[in-house]
Amino acid sequence: QSALTQPASVSGSPGQSITISCTGTSSDVGAYNYVSWYQQHPGKAPKLIIYEVTNRPSGVSNRFSGSKSGNTASLTISGLQADDEADYYCSSYTSISSSVVLFGAGTKLTVL
Amino acid sequence: EVQLVQSGAEVKKPGESLRISCKGSGNTFTGNWINWVRQMPGKGLEWMGRVDPSDSYTNYSPSFQGHVNISTDRSITTAYLQWRSLKASDTAIYYCSTTPAIGGAYRSDYWGQGTLVTVSS
Repeated sequence: QSALTQPASVSGSPGQSITISCTGTSSDVGAYNYVSWYQQHPGKAPKLIIYEVTNRPSGVSNRFSGSKSGNTASLTISGLQADDEADYYCSSYTSISSSVVLFGAGTKLTVL
Repeated sequence: EVQLVQSGAEVKKPGESLRISCKGSGNTFTGNWINWVRQMPGKGLEWMGRVDPSDSYTNYSPSFQGHVNISTDRSITTAYLQWRSLKASDTAIYYCSTTPAIGGAYRSDYWGQGTLVTVSS
């Protein structure tokens, strides 16, 4: 089963905004509002930062926001900070097979 | 707060069996599924499968079905990921995570610290 499609890397300067896309199909991202985003710093476990497309868990900065259009979900980080440099993964529920959850291949964010 | 504590790093030979664990604090296993996620060296996250501790129901990704077994012991709030015959390609960090069984939207709210499994002859 194919992973969701994300750009391999994005970059931005402190204070700027960046957007990471996550493209799926009509059987996952396009069909359900069950898209989540995770941040992973090197050597650390992933951390949930967005769920159900647009919701932020308690304690997550409002600089992180999510959206979706058709089969593509997006994560926007505004006011980039050095600590935002990390890998970001999207995930979605899928109705195909018993897999239930698909992850994207991940995007490396570099803060210049 | 939910805490998931995973067992320590393992070094095994191809063909050997292995079981790693994920212990939840307090009421972690009440109302939550437990997922297992693989991260191969330098690679992304892969959802392997999940178990519902309330009834031991499991789902597996087709990529892992038949190669691993996921189980749980509710009495000691511990979930397990088990292999009968390891391969070198099983070398990875394995994470457990929780998903609310109701309204969880298939998200992973909390994560263990990860268990590094190295399979080498």
